[in-house]
Amino acid sequence: EAGVTQFPSHSVIEKGQTVTLRCDPISGHDNLYWYRRVMGKEIKFLLHFVKESKQDESGMPNNRFLAERTGGTYSTLKVQPAELEDSGVYFCASSHFGGLNYEQYFGPGTRLTVT
Amino acid sequence: AQSVTQLDSHVSVSEGTPVLLRCNYSSSYSPSLFWYVQHPNKGLQLLLKYTSAATLVKGINGFEAEFKKSETSFHLTKPSAHMSDAAEYFCVVSPIYNQGGKLIFGQGTELSVKP
Repeated sequence: EAGVTQFPSHSVIEKGQTVTLRCDPISGHDNLYWYRRVMGKEIKFLLHFVKESKQDESGMPNNRFLAERTGGTYSTLKVQPAELEDSGVYFCASSHFGGLNYEQYFGPGTRLTVT
Repeated sequence: AQSVTQLDSHVSVSEGTPVLLRCNYSSSYSPSLFWYVQHPNKGLQLLLKYTSAATLVKGINGFEAEFKKSETSFHLTKPSAHMSDAAEYFCVVSPIYNQGGKLIFGQGTELSVKP
């Protein structure tokens, strides 16, 4: 069974440009999560989808970030326009059900560098 | 609010010696606690979890952790380190009332294993 995949693995863009990150969850997983690790800081929750609906987006830093999950399968996270402080590693995770009894399976992350 | 503090950013041990990675948590509610591991260029993997059952939790690869409410600690241990244990380890908390499964991460501890 394929794990959670993320694309691209690395992205280098200039300040002011737009970047779109993609996450493909494990097939059949209704719950999809985005997390981010900024250099030197802890991994922080961004948002949670249940199928195509946003269940919790309390961690989204500002309106430059837009997450979508059309059709309840893969998800995209768009940053527009990118700022220097957006640099970091963006992780995606998925689980079959929500809640604490169901393991979140993480992808390898996308390393975003904004110059 | 819930939080976790990993007391060491880096731990170095020799192969065959015990491993101790320290974690303290803060939670107004009865928490669920986890340890995740990330090997280079891989996604985060769940090592073990505590969800208010037995206070001594056994995980994969010989790791275990003990929940101590009086000390608000959840330290990770392994009797004998192996070279393959070299990785970054994350202590994670999720409040029991959080049905969505949002995870709150510590800062991470880098474990080095010397031959």
